[in-house]
Amino acid sequence: SQQGEEDPQALSIQEGENATMNCSYKTSINNLQWYRQNSGRGLVHLILIRSNEREKHSGRLRVTLDTSKKSSSLLITASRAADTASYFCATDGERGGYQKVTFGIGTKLQVIP
Amino acid sequence: NAGVTQTPKFQVLKTGQSMTLQCAQDMNHNSMYWYRQDPGMGLRLIYYSASEGTTDKGEVPNGYNVSRLNKREFSLRLESAAPSQTSVYFCASSTGTSGSREQYFGPGTRLTVT
Repeated sequence: SQQGEEDPQALSIQEGENATMNCSYKTSINNLQWYRQNSGRGLVHLILIRSNEREKHSGRLRVTLDTSKKSSSLLITASRAADTASYFCATDGERGGYQKVTFGIGTKLQVIP
Repeated sequence: NAGVTQTPKFQVLKTGQSMTLQCAQDMNHNSMYWYRQDPGMGLRLIYYSASEGTTDKGEVPNGYNVSRLNKREFSLRLESAAPSQTSVYFCASSTGTSGSREQYFGPGTRLTVT
């Protein structure tokens, strides 16, 4: 069963706008990661946030984590056409061991030039 | 560095046929993984290898076998392919240390079973 669920499943915005994607999960986690997948390609790691962190930035990416609500959000600011991709959250849990990472079903983002 | 490579990129099998998907990484990673990706299902873990010489079942191991041939290579075998195994298969690797969870993915193998 999937640990993470992204919301919305699809998102379409104009270039230059901000894009926000959310991830909810069910059980306690050690870390939460976000990955990007361009069409027909493998996943690429974007950012990791640890369970004791609340916010993290990397370039145009901002990730927040609320462990009390078991949710995370990924914000992409000033979006570009090249940001068009699917975005997945992935969690590794306290019981699952650090080796196993569970992926959500993804948010498909389309950035219109 | 090539990163994670997978062969073949595409494959069509008939029901009952067997095949092996190959994966290799050149990053000296300890851990390797096999996932399948289906529409609306995200990625599901089939098998993983925490370190050379060990393999463990993931979420959906039925119908598959794996071999960790050495530190670089991790293969996935379908002994008797079924239409339900039509999917895109991804291999991934990671350092396997507690301080680093990032996984590096190969380009995928698109498998169709008729």
